[in-house]
Amino acid sequence: NAGVMQNPRHLVRRRGQEARLRCSPMKGHSHVYWYRQLPEEGLKFMVYLQKENIIDESGMPKERFSAEFPKEGPSILRIQQVVRGDSAAYFCASSPEGQGGQPQHFGDGTRLSIL
Amino acid sequence: QKEVEQDPGPLSVPEGAIVSLNCTYSNSAFQYFMWYRQYSRKGPELLMYTYSSGNKEDGRFTAQVDKSSKYISLFIRDSQPSDSATYLCAMSGLNDYKLSFGAGTTVTVRA
Repeated sequence: NAGVMQNPRHLVRRRGQEARLRCSPMKGHSHVYWYRQLPEEGLKFMVYLQKENIIDESGMPKERFSAEFPKEGPSILRIQQVVRGDSAAYFCASSPEGQGGQPQHFGDGTRLSIL
Repeated sequence: QKEVEQDPGPLSVPEGAIVSLNCTYSNSAFQYFMWYRQYSRKGPELLMYTYSSGNKEDGRFTAQVDKSSKYISLFIRDSQPSDSATYLCAMSGLNDYKLSFGAGTTVTVRA
């Protein structure tokens, strides 16, 4: 499967725990984007990364959220000390280039539930 | 006002009907326009991708962009039950990489 791979597909955490979401981009893609989807709402941009660089994190909450895309391995979205409001579907997308208008291809998401 | 407004639906049509979906937007800098299809519990799948104004056809799907009215449309001809999904419009500016999405319209095609 050469598509965008996200894992886990479902993640359950208790309030105060940490959530780590992983994303492997499509083969040949070096640009990764994370979006969050709340019920009845469209996808909201969170962060854009290239290998070893965060390009734009303007959509990330200022606290508890961080993202990385190391030289080797998948991109990671980390949420520390999770709260009920973090429950959502988190989608990763990738593209071969980062300039405007590049079509982005999405994974099937991680559905995070906070108990 | 949201940057991208999408008819909320839901839409229910009989098999074979034409499905018409629309979005309006407020940011005149948007140049790239996309339609994604999202099945339940799956990720968005890119359906149509257009640049600036005009029409684009791909099989049973036609995308239209009217930048003067800040209005985009997606038409699905000869709709099938397999077209039942949520359809999301998305757009971005010339030098922008983040996509701005509509909230999505849920479509059901009845056999």
